[in-house]
Amino acid sequence: QKEVEQDPGPLSVPEGAIVSLNCTYSNSAFQYFMWYRQYSRKGPELLMYTYSSGNKEDGRFTAQVDKSSKYISLFIRDSQPSDSATYLCAMSASSASKIIFGSGTRLSIRP
Amino acid sequence: DSGVTQTPKHLITATGQRVTLRCSPRSGDLSVYWYQQSLDQGLQFLIQYYNGEERAKGNILERFSAQQFPDLHSELNLSSLELGDSALYFCASSPPGHSPRSGELFFGEGSRLTVL
Repeated sequence: QKEVEQDPGPLSVPEGAIVSLNCTYSNSAFQYFMWYRQYSRKGPELLMYTYSSGNKEDGRFTAQVDKSSKYISLFIRDSQPSDSATYLCAMSASSASKIIFGSGTRLSIRP
Repeated sequence: DSGVTQTPKHLITATGQRVTLRCSPRSGDLSVYWYQQSLDQGLQFLIQYYNGEERAKGNILERFSAQQFPDLHSELNLSSLELGDSALYFCASSPPGHSPRSGELFFGEGSRLTVL
């Protein structure tokens, strides 16, 4: 069993829709949770960074962490074609330990 | 631009050969991470260095080795290459532990390795 599971998609939604991306994990030691966005032929870039459980909002993006269920989500409101990318969840046990990534979900926003 | 530099961007070589990938982290970052990304495996953690010392190891093959030098740049050596080693190899760096952004990874553009 992988430490981090993520549905690879692809996921295609119309512009303006709300997108929900999810990951589950098995290691209860994870405390730092991240979402990275990766455009084609580019390196991943950090989108959201949260510690422990709860919600964090940044513009059209909201990250949720439910440690009791070992489940994290990223919501994108008013999705735009420019949001089309691969989204990777990532997590680690501490700020200094290795970061484990999900396999990524390929998202396409249709104009 | 993340500030992390990787060379070469593209590399084509034959099975059995050896290659070296190079990474220069962002100024001030002490940690360097190497990841392998292939279509069917996602982003796989290989190895982490902190200020010249190995900090954590992932699913790195014995044919692969890495090191971080005193000037903090890092090299990933891949030897006895096989077709299955074809992938995108990313280097990332992260700020020191006291930084408010410690734990955040800044990725380079990657080195695309093709083994024929």
